[in-house]
Amino acid sequence: DTEVTQTPKHLVMGMTNKKSLKCEQHMGHRAMYWYKQKAKKPPELMFVYSYEKLSINESVPSRFSPECPNSSLLNLHLHALQPEDSALYLCASSQETGSAYEQYFGPGTRLTVT
Amino acid sequence: TQLLEQSPQFLSIQEGENLTVYCNSSSVFSSLQWYRQEPGEGPVLLVTVVTGGEVKKLKRLTFQFGDARKDSSLHITAAQPGDTGLYLCAGAPTSGTYKYIFGTGTRLKVLA
Repeated sequence: DTEVTQTPKHLVMGMTNKKSLKCEQHMGHRAMYWYKQKAKKPPELMFVYSYEKLSINESVPSRFSPECPNSSLLNLHLHALQPEDSALYLCASSQETGSAYEQYFGPGTRLTVT
Repeated sequence: TQLLEQSPQFLSIQEGENLTVYCNSSSVFSSLQWYRQEPGEGPVLLVTVVTGGEVKKLKRLTFQFGDARKDSSLHITAAQPGDTGLYLCAGAPTSGTYKYIFGTGTRLKVLA
């Protein structure tokens, strides 16, 4: 089973709202990732968690706040977003961090900020 | 900065035709993954190549990693409408950061 699940599938939020994206995997992977993908572009890395600790933050604005409550779950808390933050947000996981490990992606959350 | 250039960017072909997509870099990668992504969905891993010169086959898809591990190709034989999608290569750096380098993408449309 190489499934990564994400909820919700679609999210529309205003610029003053607070919402959260959720990601779950049950493959026993210890590395989890958040990516942002704009239309017709490749995914851009936002955050990397390794063993439930944040190990990479790609200079992401503080209106995006990641959280890893346990080894299977990854959240992305959203607050005071801008319309340009509208994108497909992808979660991925791998057995560990490091170039030897393949990343498996979830189906994504399509976020629209109005 | 490591970059992965894919070509062509767009490809529209008839069902039954063959095609090749290229993924090129001036940098060496320890491995390279190919993904296919459909609109509004996440990328789905197709294959990982690790050894220079390696060739892997997945039904009608043939993947090759360059001898120097700087480039890769994806060849599709007798394309079908179900092959339509965005094809992404992603390289894993040889050392240091474990941030995947994603290619620029090839958007394929196979017409019935």
